[in-house]
Amino acid sequence: DAGITQSPRHKVTETGTPVTLRCHQTENHRYMYWYRQDPGHGLRLIHYSYGVKDTDKGEVSDGYSVSRSKTEDFLLTLESATSSQTSVYFCASRGTGFSGNTIYFGEGSWLTVV
Amino acid sequence: AQSVSQHNHHVILSEAASLELGCNYSYGGTVNLFWYVQYPGQHLQLLLKYFSGDPLVKGIKGFEAEFIKSKFSFNLRKPSVQWSDTAEYFCAVNAGNNAGNMLTFGGGTRLMVKP
Repeated sequence: DAGITQSPRHKVTETGTPVTLRCHQTENHRYMYWYRQDPGHGLRLIHYSYGVKDTDKGEVSDGYSVSRSKTEDFLLTLESATSSQTSVYFCASRGTGFSGNTIYFGEGSWLTVV
Repeated sequence: AQSVSQHNHHVILSEAASLELGCNYSYGGTVNLFWYVQYPGQHLQLLLKYFSGDPLVKGIKGFEAEFIKSKFSFNLRKPSVQWSDTAEYFCAVNAGNNAGNMLTFGGGTRLMVKP
């Protein structure tokens, strides 16, 4: 597995507060992704990045923003957390070239919005 | 847009039973196909992948999958399951024209293997 770490791993926050999740990878991968996992929905893409300062929206981007100021770090921010954003968030990354077609996942961040 | 369907949401098997999990996708061009497994409380791990060549792909832990292009399918199989195979299984597709190289996932299949 690629060296992908997420922080925090668990967080409980109140509705309306901002929350930032951090993803750090040590593989010098170009592409990074944020997914959320909810029962019955599998994993759904929130945002992705295809390079430093290059990001784009995924399937469920409303209420989320991202930033990538360095290759190794990809931040996901919930501007004003809502209960519907209670979920497990997974960061992922992939490189380029033949071996870059495989996405590797971090260990997940459990977020509860109360 | 590409989409992925996993028809079985929950599967319960006894140990030593054979397993087949269905996966269909909706994209007519070149695709890369993946199966990931998620053990309880853990992150997703790659089981196997198909890029090109032999449509029968062998992965880790005795799993295999067959790509049938005419059926837009990539079903996962294992001849004899073990209790330790209890997990959730996700099929995923990366379409060839996908600029961000992201994966689209199916909804997952929860497998419970009874000892």
